Amino acid sequence: SYELTQPPSVSVSPGQTASITCSGDKLGDKYACWYQQKPGQSPVVVIYQDSKRPSGIPERFSGSNSGNTATLTISGTQAMDEADYYCQAWDSSSVVFGGGTKLTVL
Amino acid sequence: QVQLVQSGSELKKPGASVKVSCKASGYTFTTYAMNWVRQAPGQGLEWMGWINTNTGNPTYAQGFTGRFVFSLDTSVSTAYLQISSLNAEDTAVYYCARGTPYCSGGSCYSIWYFDLWGRGTLVTVSS
Repeated sequence: SYELTQPPSVSVSPGQTASITCSGDKLGDKYACWYQQKPGQSPVVVIYQDSKRPSGIPERFSGSNSGNTATLTISGTQAMDEADYYCQAWDSSSVVFGGGTKLTVL
Repeated sequence: QVQLVQSGSELKKPGASVKVSCKASGYTFTTYAMNWVRQAPGQGLEWMGWINTNTGNPTYAQGFTGRFVFSLDTSVSTAYLQISSLNAEDTAVYYCARGTPYCSGGSCYSIWYFDLWGRGTLVTVSS
């Protein structure tokens, strides 16, 4: 079955750029999206269709997808961005989630 | 207001069944697929499958066949998840999530992202 691999954790200093990767076989040929989940809350989509940002999501969130890797980039990271982030794609008519990355802002 | 409102937490004994509801409001219920996602304590997101809100046809992901049933009541814009023969490993938060299709160049595809989520229903299985 298809797998998406994310680093378990990423740390970033406030104001710096955070990059979270998601790797999968020929992922660049699929659409990727990203969800943010804060403790005790439901996930929220922050990037869809590789690089589109839903209304209400700050411009500091951006995404790219090429080759075997999709990347979520958060520019000027703020303390409020500390959360778990999950990538998601489709393969063979099934949804696949990455294992999640805990972003720590310290 | 566009939202999905899920039923409250459940505490069940092993072997029992549970039915979780997800009521949609603020949009046309039959326009979007409804998905179910499981999150075990401290774990990641796991897609359980989806139900076609037009036809009622369910599709179950691997590992969610047999004891899991998706159903609808379109008259009240509500989707249901029923789990039978509960065991401790079913302890989790269950989310419903609306699927919005990817579209490009005027065409939309039968794949989607989840743009609207319920708040989740915690199901605890314990004797």
